[in-house]
Amino acid sequence: AQSVSQHNHHVILSEAASLELGCNYSYGGTVNLFWYVQYPGQHLQLLLKYFSGDPLVKGIKGFEAEFIKSKFSFNLRKPSVQWSDTAEYFCAVNEGGRGSTLGRLYFGRGTQLTVWP
Amino acid sequence: NAGVTQTPKFQVLKTGQSMTLQCAQDMNHNSMYWYRQDPGMGLRLIYYSASEGTTDKGEVPNGYNVSRLNKREFSLRLESAAPSQTSVYFCASSGRHGEQYFGPGTRLTVT
Repeated sequence: AQSVSQHNHHVILSEAASLELGCNYSYGGTVNLFWYVQYPGQHLQLLLKYFSGDPLVKGIKGFEAEFIKSKFSFNLRKPSVQWSDTAEYFCAVNEGGRGSTLGRLYFGRGTQLTVWP
Repeated sequence: NAGVTQTPKFQVLKTGQSMTLQCAQDMNHNSMYWYRQDPGMGLRLIYYSASEGTTDKGEVPNGYNVSRLNKREFSLRLESAAPSQTSVYFCASSGRHGEQYFGPGTRLTVT
């Protein structure tokens, strides 16, 4: 089975600092990659996704992620965080590649981001 | 277009009681999922349904049953609730590329 590792459990930053959250997965085949965000008391929302093509993908709210196949990584970045980015962030991987209709996702355990104003 | 809806939002049960969590999606997705979320554990898959009429166990199926009633609806049943089932439960459905869309969650407490 796929495993997904998120290196940091809790990251604390000041506003305007740059953010990078690490994510590594174990599956060597074709993958679809996702980052989700969960604001306090809310459900998971899709932040960005990678299926194919340009390995640098842009998502909502100024977030981006880079797929590096040789490193099995899909790190999330944001140049300048805001207090409103305080949330938990989950990396997820789907085996099967583009067009897979079975969307079973394997999630990392999440990284809690706290941004101080 | 409501996406994924879940009922109830909150529930308190006594040990041994039963209940059914309801989930529906209006995105015409084939696959649906039930997860539980516990602090420090992330999301754990309980059951999933790849298509109408099929269900499969996930990582933590013990103590739960599911029914894929039709393409829209996927329910989760606790036959005899235990305190270890205190959790937040999320239903999700998946789109063409496997991206999942989540419902608002049910916060369940078993005393």
